[in-house]
Amino acid sequence: KQEVTQIPAALSVPEGENLVLNCSFTDSAIYNLQWFRQDPGKGLTSLLLIQSSQREQTSGRLNASLDKSSGRSTLYIAASQPGDSATYLCAVQTGANNLFFGTGTRLTVIP
Amino acid sequence: KAGVTQTPRYLIKTRGQQVTLSCSPISGHRSVSWYQQTPGQGLQFLFEYFSETQRNKGNFPGRFSGRQFSNSRSEMNVSTLELGDSALYLCASSWPGSSTDTQYFGPGTRLTVL
Repeated sequence: KQEVTQIPAALSVPEGENLVLNCSFTDSAIYNLQWFRQDPGKGLTSLLLIQSSQREQTSGRLNASLDKSSGRSTLYIAASQPGDSATYLCAVQTGANNLFFGTGTRLTVIP
Repeated sequence: KAGVTQTPRYLIKTRGQQVTLSCSPISGHRSVSWYQQTPGQGLQFLFEYFSETQRNKGNFPGRFSGRQFSNSRSEMNVSTLELGDSALYLCASSWPGSSTDTQYFGPGTRLTVL
């Protein structure tokens, strides 16, 4: 069974710092990997989707990488802002829209 | 374009009752997936519907069921509610439901079972 782990579980950084969130998964037979953010009590917002054949995707200050063979992905956030405070979830897709989610990293950016 | 909508946003039920949650996907999307989010188990996949057919199912008991209508709107039903069913239920839609498409999530329905 696919298991997805995210480290660290929580992270607190001062505004302006660059940071890296980690995600690992046990089964490399994935279709894609997605990063989401979730604000308290809200649904999920898709940030980046990396196809299994891709190595990375970028959107603004966000860059996500994927190393399928080692079962790892990282989400890099540059020049963090207080508005980036949220829980970040990674998820791997192994079947028709069947996403396996990690437990998330709760990020707090201190002004 | 309107996003994914879920109704109701909040529900309070008692043990043994049943509940129906509704999800309206983004216009044109034909795939709807349901997830349960709890503090202990995190986000877990319930099932996915595409063109009115259940295409994929997670590891949940038969008390959890769903359906999809011809307009792609979906409902999920939980019968004989248990305290452990208290959770945020999220639905997500995509088109055409392939591995290349981002799933768009609704705001969720928060179910509390007393």
